Amino acid sequence: ETGVTQTPRHLVMGMTNKKSLKCEQHLGHNAMYWYKQSAKKPLELMFVYSLEERVENNSVPSRFSPECPNSSHLFLHLHTLQPEDSALYLCASSQDGGTGSNEQFFGPGTRLTVL
Amino acid sequence: GESVGLHLPTLSVQEGDNSIINCAYSNSASDYFIWYKQESGKGPQFIIDIRSNMDKRQGQRVTVLLNKTVKHLSLQIAATQPGDSAVYFCAEWGGDDKIIFGKGTRLHILP
Repeated sequence: ETGVTQTPRHLVMGMTNKKSLKCEQHLGHNAMYWYKQSAKKPLELMFVYSLEERVENNSVPSRFSPECPNSSHLFLHLHTLQPEDSALYLCASSQDGGTGSNEQFFGPGTRLTVL
Repeated sequence: GESVGLHLPTLSVQEGDNSIINCAYSNSASDYFIWYKQESGKGPQFIIDIRSNMDKRQGQRVTVLLNKTVKHLSLQIAATQPGDSAVYFCAEWGGDDKIIFGKGTRLHILP
């Protein structure tokens, strides 16, 4: 257990559905991250939140909408996704974010399949 | 452009032997490097890190070597065990404070 939990662990959705991924960290960290992990590709950073403010958005399509209501919770709202969005979505947290090097603790991920 | 990569997508090692997993990076301004282990069905797990002012760092059964001259990073696992089976990938913190992940090497342990 890394102190970062994600739900659901698996999700199958159609292209017209709306769903949300949830991440919660129990480490008292100030920064949280969403990553996309596709087969045979490096981890792709999607969003970074530091002290509940979005500090980075790596040109992610608007069909992905993050929300960080507090420093312990992070959501990724999904709507009108495409089959190529199928991937493992990983959440991570670190003590600080965006400045310098900090160890990131990852959750187990949500395996998303878009039909 | 910046890139972090591993030389081999798959590595098979006999149980009990030492494993060496390699990683190349291109950003000479990177000052912090991490090795992660990702087991099937789990998120990446921190193994060991090293800063650019060091050449070598040892942990429990793992050693990371950094060669800044050729921008090369390696992870050595001593006495490889079945539980070491996983995908290993390196990550670097670039000069612009962005973390860049490599593609990963899958380590197979042969009985």
